Amino acid sequence: DGGITQSPKYLFRKEGQNVTLSCEQNLNHDAMYWYRQDPGQGLRLIYYSQIVNDFQKGDIAEGYSVSREKKESFPLTVTSAQKNPTAFYLCASSIGQGAAYGYTFGSGTRLTVV
Amino acid sequence: KQEVTQIPAALSVPEGENLVLNCSFTDSAIYNLQWFRQDPGKGLTSLLLIQSSQREQTSGRLNASLDKSSGRSTLYIAASQPGDSATYLCAVRGDSGGSNYKLTFGKGTLLTVNP
Repeated sequence: DGGITQSPKYLFRKEGQNVTLSCEQNLNHDAMYWYRQDPGQGLRLIYYSQIVNDFQKGDIAEGYSVSREKKESFPLTVTSAQKNPTAFYLCASSIGQGAAYGYTFGSGTRLTVV
Repeated sequence: KQEVTQIPAALSVPEGENLVLNCSFTDSAIYNLQWFRQDPGKGLTSLLLIQSSQREQTSGRLNASLDKSSGRSTLYIAASQPGDSATYLCAVRGDSGGSNYKLTFGKGTLLTVNP
């Protein structure tokens, strides 16, 4: 079955540590996105990528970095510069910008600072 | 800047009731609107997608309507069941300039259907 796989499901980060969240899709979608979800808030866009080797900052990119070396993969690194990283992170994909199709989401990674 | 509001924030109903969830958005220049369901600790599951040129979409017991000019959408759930208990999220995709990549989300409506 086609879909988006996020791993790990739970991740713990120590102070000052960088961690990387994995997102892989086999939907042949061009565009991929990372969102952050906090209790009582809507989802907020961190980064997005429309094609391989290209990505753009979203609304809350500070303290995060991404890469898009393959169409299927869009990993997110939470750096030590992100002061409040504890949240639920969701990866999504869509066929492409401007396409009349919806988004597909992964099952999420819950990151906790310990 | 697009803002999406969902009312009510929480709703509790007895099993079997028909119910309506509301979503409003401030910028009518949208490409489409999508309703999602989220179970606790899980990702988002797409329920219905309405293009800006459409008025409604139906899937089983779910019906979503869109009034683009007034910036409103409703999600109608018929004959609610305990398994419908979840958070329902509304999201709009922009259609102006560089914003047509982006989904803007409401904060959701937490639905509880009691047996």
